[in-house]
Amino acid sequence: GENVEQHPSTLSVQEGDSAVIKCTYSDSASNYFPWYKQELGKRPQLIIDIRSNVGEKKDQRIAVTLNKTAKHFSLHITETQPEDSAVYFCAAARGFQKLVFGTGTRLLVSP
Amino acid sequence: DTGVSQNPRHKITKRGQNVTFRCDPISEHNRLYWYRQTLGQGPEFLTYFQNEAQLEKSRLLSDRFSAERPKGSFSTLEIQRTEQGDSAMYLCASRLSRQGSTDTQYFGPGTRLTVL
Repeated sequence: GENVEQHPSTLSVQEGDSAVIKCTYSDSASNYFPWYKQELGKRPQLIIDIRSNVGEKKDQRIAVTLNKTAKHFSLHITETQPEDSAVYFCAAARGFQKLVFGTGTRLLVSP
Repeated sequence: DTGVSQNPRHKITKRGQNVTFRCDPISEHNRLYWYRQTLGQGPEFLTYFQNEAQLEKSRLLSDRFSAERPKGSFSTLEIQRTEQGDSAMYLCASRLSRQGSTDTQYFGPGTRLTVL
């Protein structure tokens, strides 16, 4: 089955810096890669996603890149703000099926 | 609130008791997923439904766990003879699976289960 690895487990940056979180997946049939943000005690919320027919997607300060050959994808957050502090999870899925999540990255943005 | 809702939000029970959780998906969402999340980990898939049909169950879902979605709307997850290892956050997610729809799974707030 699918296995998703995520690094780093914790990431501390200064406000205004960029943050990069990386994930690798094992199942070459996976074709959907979402990123969720989870604040303490709250539900996971989708922040951006990408399908395997696209190499990069951007939404304001957030971008995701996908390398199908290497089976890895990354989340890039630019101009970080304190409200970006949260746990971020990557995930992979085949089509409409279950999401397989990474272990999460705790991002701390210091003012 | 038209998002996914779950009840109860918190449940404390003694080992050996049975518990049942409810999930109400976003209206018209035909796919419903259950995940379990323990502290410091990502959500782990348990099972999912397409309308009322249960299409996949994880090996994590032992015989003590059962899930239903009898009318293709809300779903229940029951855990029989709870064990301390069942303590976790149980998350429900839903999505619309139809041509032209997005792949987004929308999560509920979860039910936090504590087994004493």
